[in-house]
Amino acid sequence: DAGVIQSPRHEVTEMGQEVTLRCKPISGHDYLFWYRQTMMRGLELLIYFNNNVPIDDSGMPEDRFSAKMPNASFSTLKIQPSEPRDSAVYFCASSWGSLRGLNTEAFFGQGTRLTVV
Amino acid sequence: GEDVEQSLFLSVREGDSSVINCTYTDSSSTYLYWYKQEPGAGLQLLTYIFSNMDMKQDQRLTVLLNKKDKHLSLRIADTQTGDSAIYFCAESNISNFGNEKLTFGTGTRLTIIP
Repeated sequence: DAGVIQSPRHEVTEMGQEVTLRCKPISGHDYLFWYRQTMMRGLELLIYFNNNVPIDDSGMPEDRFSAKMPNASFSTLKIQPSEPRDSAVYFCASSWGSLRGLNTEAFFGQGTRLTVV
Repeated sequence: GEDVEQSLFLSVREGDSSVINCTYTDSSSTYLYWYKQEPGAGLQLLTYIFSNMDMKQDQRLTVLLNKKDKHLSLRIADTQTGDSAIYFCAESNISNFGNEKLTFGTGTRLTIIP
């Protein structure tokens, strides 16, 4: 397996535009996570899915953020409208089973670096 | 709520030992993890420890857990330039929805001095 695949790797957009980040988890994994990394806040969990169903979206900053997982092999994180403070690296991660025990390692994609100007 | 804290930076001379520290607040955490992030990459699991253990050793890595003080540390022996990275401490705990999630610290950027 190629691992967790995120696209695009880099995105530069103007304030007010819609941004869509994409993620393909590792085949067979039933958990998918979206994280945001900034220098000020570190790594923050935004939302996670289990079997394509959103379980906990309490980390989503506000209504401008939305995430979907239409099937087991694809998820999107959308920001509309985007703002400069959304600039960060967004990571997608997937895992099999819950996050405890030997077989619960979270595998991360390489991230999408978003810059909103 | 849960909180995981780490210092942001650590500089160590090549060949010395590196010790990265972490404190957490959730006493119900059953697993604690160390992840490594190399430049331009995502995080990768380095090692983990179950909360009923005090120590875990894996080659150059030693994890120490003081559950009473809620303190976790990662020691890297004979630090090499390839160890330069950001190291994240993480705990798994139960979210408000009854499901499990990982809470990460801010990460400690380890710089190796030749």
